[in-house]
Amino acid sequence: KAGVTQTPRYLIKTRGQQVTLSCSPISGHRSVSWYQQTPGQGLQFLFEYFSETQRNKGNFPGRFSGRQFSNSRSEMNVSTLELGDSALYLCASSPRRDGSYEQYFGPGTRLTVT
Amino acid sequence: GDSVTQMEGPVTLSEEAFLTINCTYTATGYPSLFWYVQYPGEGLQLLLKATKADDKGSNKGFEATYRKETTSFHLEKGSVQVSDSAVYFCALRRTGANNLFFGTGTRLTVIP
Repeated sequence: KAGVTQTPRYLIKTRGQQVTLSCSPISGHRSVSWYQQTPGQGLQFLFEYFSETQRNKGNFPGRFSGRQFSNSRSEMNVSTLELGDSALYLCASSPRRDGSYEQYFGPGTRLTVT
Repeated sequence: GDSVTQMEGPVTLSEEAFLTINCTYTATGYPSLFWYVQYPGEGLQLLLKATKADDKGSNKGFEATYRKETTSFHLEKGSVQVSDSAVYFCALRRTGANNLFFGTGTRLTVIP
């Protein structure tokens, strides 16, 4: 089975712009979670989607949003980018959302905001 | 709230040395505990896990035991190799939830 894929792998944006990141989960996985990794704050949970609905959300401002499509692929969007949004954004998928399955992580998208 | 406290790094060891990376947690109920590893330029890979007290997770020579009485899940390996050089993250997941709470990560460098 193919693993979790994320596109693009690298992205450079300017402050004030918006960005959309994409995640394709492992085939058959219906839960997709997003995490932000920065040197200062470490790994922090952004949100989780299951069956096209946001099920859980971390402590991030409304500029961070996401969605999930009927094929379980997910996108996250960050509007009005700030320098502090520079980070590695990781996507993880699992078959279900009851915590009984392992989460599989993608390689991440490295976003640089200048 | 739920949190994970992990030993600060970086840690530098010689090949074949013994490794311990400390991890303690705060959580309500009975969380599942994990160790993830991140190699340079890659995402996270699950190294091992334990889902209940006294469980021992093991993989590739690494071990960790879920100690509820001390709220700890320390990672150990008897003899490290250069290929073990990576960043190691301790994490917990609350019962019934799917999101993970991570520690700050510990960078391990193994020198020949």
